[in-house]
Amino acid sequence: QIHLVESGGGLVKPGGSLRLSCAASGFPFSDYYVSWIRQAPGKGLEWLSYISRTSTTIKYADSVKGRFTVSRDNAKKSVSLQMNSLRVEDTAIYYCARDIWTDETNYFDYWGQGTLVTVSS
Amino acid sequence: SYVLTQPPSLSVAPGQTAKISCGENNIGTQSVHWYQQRPGQAPVLVVYDDRHRPPGISERFSGSNSGNTATLTIRGVEAGDEADYYCQVWDSSTDQRVFGTGTQVTVL
Repeated sequence: QIHLVESGGGLVKPGGSLRLSCAASGFPFSDYYVSWIRQAPGKGLEWLSYISRTSTTIKYADSVKGRFTVSRDNAKKSVSLQMNSLRVEDTAIYYCARDIWTDETNYFDYWGQGTLVTVSS
Repeated sequence: SYVLTQPPSLSVAPGQTAKISCGENNIGTQSVHWYQQRPGQAPVLVVYDDRHRPPGISERFSGSNSGNTATLTIRGVEAGDEADYYCQVWDSSTDQRVFGTGTQVTVL
């Protein structure tokens, strides 16, 4: 079965840093894009970033550009999200998702269960 | 950039049909995807490319897309369909992914 498992969430002070990981299994990891998506408490889904199969292409939402950095290790079948300069408004559940990309669209066919990040003093 | 507008909430009686809209100018020219998120759970893809269902998704879920509105239809609504539903598109101008505002479906 296909699984994505996030880890690394926790409590951090404003201005601090945190590194999230997403471990994949059950599919040829290097053949797929991966995205990070978050959901603030009681709010909707917000796409944050995607990374292409060989890390050639990386995109970020404006809300995290310059503060968050995504990377992947195909040998370890994992993707990381380095989050710096964290703000209270970054408090959310963070999901990684397998990103099905074609030339004309994308969608997320498998999601992890999420990891909670709380930014508070 | 895209702003995908959905009704905040929708109530439907068991056995009836729920129609959830996702509006944006000329959305009919885009491929629209739909996700179901039950309380406390991760989202699940229920429709992709406007009208296709992933394996394991009930035939009661269907999608359409034309003009300025995409629609997710749930026929024969069941208690287990109570969830938040999100539409999603790819913004080709920015190469970013965009989610709709979300619709909370309540089964009466």
